[in-house]
Amino acid sequence: DTAVSQTPKYLVTQMGNDKSIKCEQNLGHDTMYWYKQDSKKFLKIMFSYNNKELIINETVPNRFSPKSPDKAHLNLHINSLELGDSAVYFCASSQLGAGGYNEQFFGPGTRLTVL
Amino acid sequence: AQSVAQPEDQVNVAEGNPLTVKCTYSVSGNPYLFWYVQYPNRGLQFLLKYITGDNLVKGSYGFEAEFNKSQTSFHLKKPSALVSDSALYFCAVRDWGSGTYKYIFGTGTRLKVLA
Repeated sequence: DTAVSQTPKYLVTQMGNDKSIKCEQNLGHDTMYWYKQDSKKFLKIMFSYNNKELIINETVPNRFSPKSPDKAHLNLHINSLELGDSAVYFCASSQLGAGGYNEQFFGPGTRLTVL
Repeated sequence: AQSVAQPEDQVNVAEGNPLTVKCTYSVSGNPYLFWYVQYPNRGLQFLLKYITGDNLVKGSYGFEAEFNKSQTSFHLKKPSALVSDSALYFCAVRDWGSGTYKYIFGTGTRLKVLA
């Protein structure tokens, strides 16, 4: 059973297009995250939702819009794609807890290539 | 400012030898520290964490890490390396300065275990 799943695994698209990535977790966690990993493997938090409420919103272009329809799902919509958006996007989940000390479970990633 | 540093981009070790992957941190609150491993084309997997208590933390796949408060370090270790340990390793720390449940990831260290 896949704990954190993402679709699609690969996404190749033209500049200017709009695309979405979907994430689902079956761990019963209350918090989900989007990370961006660039070509140098640097990992950067983008957004986080706790019980459908946005709790982390890093300085990313407003072309990126997350949506969490329920605790188990977190989607990422990207408008007007640019070359610099090419990266691997990871979804993760965790049970937040009072101290925020629980580990995160990562999905397999979505490799986005913008041509 | 909260930060985590992995000073080595790559570590090479012979199979059967002990390995160490270094991590140092700087935080304003209690140091919640994590190690994750990323195999090629996969998401990150949790290895171990230090929250409080014993300075020597044991984790998955025979890995352990030693928390050293005076040196602000949390080095990952394994007594006997396997070729299958070859992967990208990330250290992460809870970012207390953000006021949110955010974690800062290091730049990653590529471990290569030579047969």
